[in-house]
Amino acid sequence: KNEVEQSPQNLTAQEGEFITINCSYSVGISALHWLQQHPGGGIVSLFMLSSGKKKHGRLIATINIQEKHSSLHITASHPRDSAVYICAGNSGGYQKVTFGIGTKLQVIP
Amino acid sequence: EPEVTQTPSHQVTQMGQEVILRCVPISNHLYFYWYRQILGQKVEFLVSFYNNEISEKSEIFDDQFSVERPDGSNFTLKIRSTKLEDSAMYFCASSRQGVDGYTFGSGTRLTVV
Repeated sequence: KNEVEQSPQNLTAQEGEFITINCSYSVGISALHWLQQHPGGGIVSLFMLSSGKKKHGRLIATINIQEKHSSLHITASHPRDSAVYICAGNSGGYQKVTFGIGTKLQVIP
Repeated sequence: EPEVTQTPSHQVTQMGQEVILRCVPISNHLYFYWYRQILGQKVEFLVSFYNNEISEKSEIFDDQFSVERPDGSNFTLKIRSTKLEDSAMYFCASSRQGVDGYTFGSGTRLTVV
């Protein structure tokens, strides 16, 4: 059974701090998504990666295939980064997705 | 920027009724998905759809559920004989290729009473 585990489940940071959210996944998952879910419920896809590292603005996502581990980093965090960040893994020919429980991030001014 | 559009944003239905949730994926996308999120729980995969047929489905997606792309632009999820436990946020998503990132709709909150 494919599984995705995230840590921490809750994270509070001061504005400007560097933030790391971790994700571990099981054998059978071939690619990872990082998603952002806003308080209103909407979901935005941040990254999809199967190797290496991707960067977009202040967000960086890395994946280590051997260790089956991915991290999402936020540099110079801002209160508008407050959201739930979800790691999700693709399996079954990239069609089936298993979601983590999410990390609720609150950035305090 | 292209969007995935879902309607309605909120639907209340009586237990036992049928509901149809509608989605308009991005026009040049080829893969379509439905997910659900029960309040306070993780997002769950329901079904993926490609080339006018279901390509993957989860254990949740039983005979109560069906999907259809009736006219080349809409992508619908039908839930028959709704139960209280079907109350959830239902998200539609699409991607151009299966290996691309997904674009999610803003969701339909279904409340079964």
